[in-house]
Amino acid sequence: QKEVEQDPGPLSVPEGAIVSLNCTYSNSAFQYFMWYRQYSRKGPELLMYTYSSGNKEDGRFTAQVDKSSKYISLFIRDSQPSDSATYLCAMSALDNNDMRFGAGTRLTVKP
Amino acid sequence: NAGVTQTPKFRILKIGQSMTLQCTQDMNHNYMYWYRQDPGMGLKLIYYSVGAGITDKGEVPNGYNVSRSTTEDFPLRLELAAPSQTSVYFCASDYTGQYSPLHFGNGTRLTVT
Repeated sequence: QKEVEQDPGPLSVPEGAIVSLNCTYSNSAFQYFMWYRQYSRKGPELLMYTYSSGNKEDGRFTAQVDKSSKYISLFIRDSQPSDSATYLCAMSALDNNDMRFGAGTRLTVKP
Repeated sequence: NAGVTQTPKFRILKIGQSMTLQCTQDMNHNYMYWYRQDPGMGLKLIYYSVGAGITDKGEVPNGYNVSRSTTEDFPLRLELAAPSQTSVYFCASDYTGQYSPLHFGNGTRLTVT
């Protein structure tokens, strides 16, 4: 079993849809949770981060962490074609050198 | 301010050849990392460095070597390339090494045939 599981998709939605992206994990020591966005042929860039459980909102993006279920989510409201990218979840227990990444979900938002 | 710069963008190697992937950052970050990204596998940490002269192994270090002689540069050396090293390699840096965002370069696509 992988330490971090993420459905690779691909996921295709119409413009304006609400998108839900998810990851599950097995290591209960993880306490810092991140979402990175990766455009084609580019490096990942940080989108959202949360510490421990709870919700965090930034514009059209909401990150949720449920440590009791070992489940994290990223919601995108009013999705735009420019949101088309691969979304990577990442998490660490203490330092960035122990960070674990999900395989990434490829999202396409169609105009 | 260029951020993290990786060269080359693409490379094809024959089995047994060696090469160095270059990485440089201009953000004065102490922490630097090398990852490889394979389809369906997520990013895996190869080596990392917490400052000039200090390096340590990550999750998948076999077949690679690194050095860190300056704050800015963190080259990754492949000795005796093997097909299993076909991947996309990303260099990253961050300021504190803990709870801070990683800044990634745009990667080097390496094929070993």
